Amino acid sequence: DGGITQSPKYLFRKEGQNVTLSCEQNLNHDAMYWYRQDPGQGLRLIYYSQIVNDFQKGDIAEGYSVSREKKESFPLTVTSAQKNPTAFYLCASSVGTGYGYTFGSGTRLTVV
Amino acid sequence: GDSVTQMEGPVTLSEEAFLTINCTYTATGYPSLFWYVQYPGEGLQLLLKATKADDKGSNKGFEATYRKETTSFHLEKGSVQVSDSAVYFCALINYGQNFVFGPGTRLSVLP
Repeated sequence: DGGITQSPKYLFRKEGQNVTLSCEQNLNHDAMYWYRQDPGQGLRLIYYSQIVNDFQKGDIAEGYSVSREKKESFPLTVTSAQKNPTAFYLCASSVGTGYGYTFGSGTRLTVV
Repeated sequence: GDSVTQMEGPVTLSEEAFLTINCTYTATGYPSLFWYVQYPGEGLQLLLKATKADDKGSNKGFEATYRKETTSFHLEKGSVQVSDSAVYFCALINYGQNFVFGPGTRLSVLP
């Protein structure tokens, strides 16, 4: 079955460390997205990519970085420059911009 | 820019009650409208969608009608169950643009 896989489901980071969240899709979707969700809050767009080897900043890109070397993969790195990284991170994909999204099951990142 | 407004939550209902979650939007052009549902600790799942005016989306007993004249896409269900407890997001998308999500409405259904 096609879908999006995010890993790990739970991730703990020490202050000052970079961590990378994985997002893989086998839907043959061109576009991929990263969102951040804080408790009781809505979704905020971090980065998105409409095609391999290209990506754009979303509303809250500071302290994050991404790469899109393969169509199937869109990893997100939370750097030490992100001052408040504890949150629930959601990855999504779509056929292209203007179409509905398929979401992964999320990664909960906690700074310890 | 485009925006989505949802009724403030949380919404608490007894099992078998009627559910309405209001959603209104502001957008240029002719957006497609969506409802997504998020169960605790999980990602968002598509619940239903409508792509043009007067379309009705439906799934799992939930319904919503695309009303262009009132720029609304209210979610309804005739008889809610405890298993419907979740956060519901209204969203819109215009061709060539990214999704615009509402803030979400938390629904709690009590037995």
